[in-house]
Amino acid sequence: EPEVTQTPSHQVTQMGQEVILRCVPISNHLYFYWYRQILGQKVEFLVSFYNNEISEKSEIFDDQFSVERPDGSNFTLKIRSTKLEDSAMYFCASIRQGVGEQYFGPGTRLTVT
Amino acid sequence: GQQVMQIPQYQHVQEGEDFTTYCNSSTTLSNIQWYKQRPGGHPVFLIQLVKSGEVKKQKRLTFQFGEAKKNSSLHITATQTTDVGTYFCAGPKGSSGGSNYKLTFGKGTLLTVNP
Repeated sequence: EPEVTQTPSHQVTQMGQEVILRCVPISNHLYFYWYRQILGQKVEFLVSFYNNEISEKSEIFDDQFSVERPDGSNFTLKIRSTKLEDSAMYFCASIRQGVGEQYFGPGTRLTVT
Repeated sequence: GQQVMQIPQYQHVQEGEDFTTYCNSSTTLSNIQWYKQRPGGHPVFLIQLVKSGEVKKQKRLTFQFGEAKKNSSLHITATQTTDVGTYFCAGPKGSSGGSNYKLTFGKGTLLTVNP
């Protein structure tokens, strides 16, 4: 069964450093999402991406965040200057159409020290 | 903005007991989805409910969507240790849907089962 993959599984970085989290969505999917989950809390929407552009972003997704789909398969989330409060699990998700089941990747645990 | 509330936050049961989690949205939903997240895992889709008053069953799991499409419940009959995890409800933005279905998740109910 096709699945969403994410790398790395765990990223440790120092405050102020840039990180790039990578995702490979399911190949025939058209809508892509990033969510984050602070330990023990709910899953929070960050951004959605369709047709090579951001379709919606949350208030969490400020100027320090950016997304890209550079080559038609990878979908990346960049945090330019990480803060301690960026420590969380980041999940990528994809969906073929706009409605229905979202397929989540296994997540990247980001730890900012 | 849209809020999705879930209760209880935690539920501990003895194996074999039933379990129910409840979800309420501040706005009418076009559909509601349920996800399960095992400890250390990622959200995995369980089901989507679309119609007012809809009831769906998956083996020991029963899902309901309220008549007003603002609340939902998940009931597990005779829990097993494999049911352990956090159960989230999630609603799409707005009541009319659209082409972009960002999900607003509830805080989830963490179910633990004592064997």
